Formats: sequence, structure tokens, C-alpha cells
Amino acid sequence: RKEVEQDPGPFNVPEGATVAFNCTYSNSASQSFFWYRQDCRKEPKLLMSVYSSGNEDGRFTAQLNRASQYISLLIRDSKLSDSATYLCVVNTGGGSYIPTFGRGTSLIVHP
Amino acid sequence: DAGVIQSPRHEVTEMGQEVTLRCKPISGHDYLFWYRQTMMRGLELLIYFNNNVPIDDSGMPEDRFSAKMPNASFSTLKIQPSEPRDSAVYFCASTIPGDYGYTFGSGTRLTVV
Repeated sequence: RKEVEQDPGPFNVPEGATVAFNCTYSNSASQSFFWYRQDCRKEPKLLMSVYSSGNEDGRFTAQLNRASQYISLLIRDSKLSDSATYLCVVNTGGGSYIPTFGRGTSLIVHP
Repeated sequence: DAGVIQSPRHEVTEMGQEVTLRCKPISGHDYLFWYRQTMMRGLELLIYFNNNVPIDDSGMPEDRFSAKMPNASFSTLKIQPSEPRDSAVYFCASTIPGDYGYTFGSGTRLTVV
């Protein structure tokens, strides 16, 4: 089993739609979680951290389910500019700050 | 802050040549990571440093790859000799302990012909 798994997609949605991605991780000791966004031919950029209680940043909501070992990202009112690849990142914890990246989920928002 | 700075942005070289990629982390960040990204394998961690010391280089594909961090503001990744299968985008990233995430440089797109 891969350490961090994501559905590669692509998710093809119309503008204004709500879309959700999940990411599963295998190490139950994982402590830190992030969502990154990567545009074509660009570097990954931090979208948001994921906290145990869940957190929201505008149209984006991230949630963590430790019991089932997955994190999720919900995007409401999708914009054309949301088209990108969304990478799930997990820290294995134990004082380690070594991130493991998922392969990413591709999102295409069309008019 | 200028962010993580990588050079060159693009590198095209012939098989067998030596390639050196450079990275300047964000000042004060004491963790530095080198990643390689390809369509087939995604982002792969090659090596990481903590306070300029290499901690884990188990991701380095083979002895042709080496990395150094002579001081807190500079790191290099060297491939000698280069091969076509080394063609990829190489990213450098840095961070500090805590839930702050990782800041990536713009990457070096390497093509070995």
C-alpha cells in the first residue's frame, strides 16, 4: 500500500460546482497534513494546512479523519482558476518534518 | 523574502555530462529537501538536510547523484554522469519545524539528450 494515495482524476466540473477530493494515508502516526496546489509547469504551493477540527479558507474546506486515516478537500463555487493539480501531503510525525506527497488529483473547471 | 531560489531554471545537456543544480533556501529555514518530479513517478524525495547535515539520502537513485550543503544558505545537487532517464523537474524546498508547510523553489527542468 502506498503511503499517501489520491485519485488522480481528472475531475471535470462546471463553474460553480462543488467538488471534493480525498486522500488516504497509511501511517497512523502521521501528525501534520497539508493540501498543496500545483499549476502546470509550476512548483507546488501551499493551499492550506489541515487541522483535526477541520478548517476553512474562503471557498476551501479541509477535514481530517484520523480514525479512517484520510483527509479531504472541498471546493465550493468552483472557478476556472481553480483548475490545477491538488497534492495531499502528510508528515510521518515522531518529530520528523519529512513530507510524503501524494501523486495529486487533477481538477479541470470548465465554463 | 525572495523565497527559495533555484538555478538554473532550465538545463539541457548531453548524456555523460556533469550537471549541477543549485538552491538557496529561505533564510532561517533549517530543513532543506531535494525532490524530483516526473509524470510517471510524481514527486520523489531524493535527500534532505537538517542544519546543513544530510539526514536521509535513501531516495538518491544511485551513486551518480550527490548533494551537498556547505552552509545554511546554499545547496547543490550534482549528477555525474547524466543519463536521459534523469530528465525531470528537480525541486528544492525548505521549512522550519512545525505545521508551516514547505516552500518550494521554481524548479530546474533538466533534459538530458
